[in-house]
Amino acid sequence: DAKTTQPTSMDCAEGRAANLPCNHSTISGNEYVYWYRQIHSQGPQYIIHGLKNNETNEMASLIITEDRKSSTLILPHATLRDTAVYYCIVRAPAGGTSYGKLTFGQGTILTVHP
Amino acid sequence: DAGITQSPRHKVTETGTPVTLRCHQTENHRYMYWYRQDPGHGLRLIHYSYGVKDTDKGEVSDGYSVSRSKTEDFLLTLESATSSQTSVYFCATLGQGGEQFFGPGTRLTVL
Repeated sequence: DAKTTQPTSMDCAEGRAANLPCNHSTISGNEYVYWYRQIHSQGPQYIIHGLKNNETNEMASLIITEDRKSSTLILPHATLRDTAVYYCIVRAPAGGTSYGKLTFGQGTILTVHP
Repeated sequence: DAGITQSPRHKVTETGTPVTLRCHQTENHRYMYWYRQDPGHGLRLIHYSYGVKDTDKGEVSDGYSVSRSKTEDFLLTLESATSSQTSVYFCATLGQGGEQFFGPGTRLTVL
């Protein structure tokens, strides 16, 4: 699976958009970009994923560059409850010999302040 | 979430005793995983299962065994607990879209 690089920490004001970047320059053609977050002492929570098109769901938007070497997770209106560690993970889909393993890096600590 | 429960949620045990952690899911997901999380290491895969009675090792499997006798349950056993196995253990399942859903975790302390 491709390695990812994320900033160690970021701050965001409540109500503003939080834009979390991720570099994955060695991504392969069949690898998806997944985003998870972990709020203190809870299990990681799936946010969104995409292959090459931009994606949006009720939680966030995912913008993937045309060359797929980087992506940005956007939380449109951050709240205090969005304070968490955000993980960007790249992997091939499960099935066959692949088992969908997630390799978690250190992630980005997002702090949303009033 | 994917209807994942873990039991127990907290456990304190002594070195050398066997410990079994249980993960139960209600979504009939084929793949299930056990991770451990320690400060400075993030989440690391211990074992995973790709079907009933089908399991394989992850990156930190030494000292652990697993069993999956039915789709909904995935058991993690510490054969002889050591202090280095003090950790938070998370179970996860794989959804249809390739996303993993995680349980609430079990905090294990080995004295």
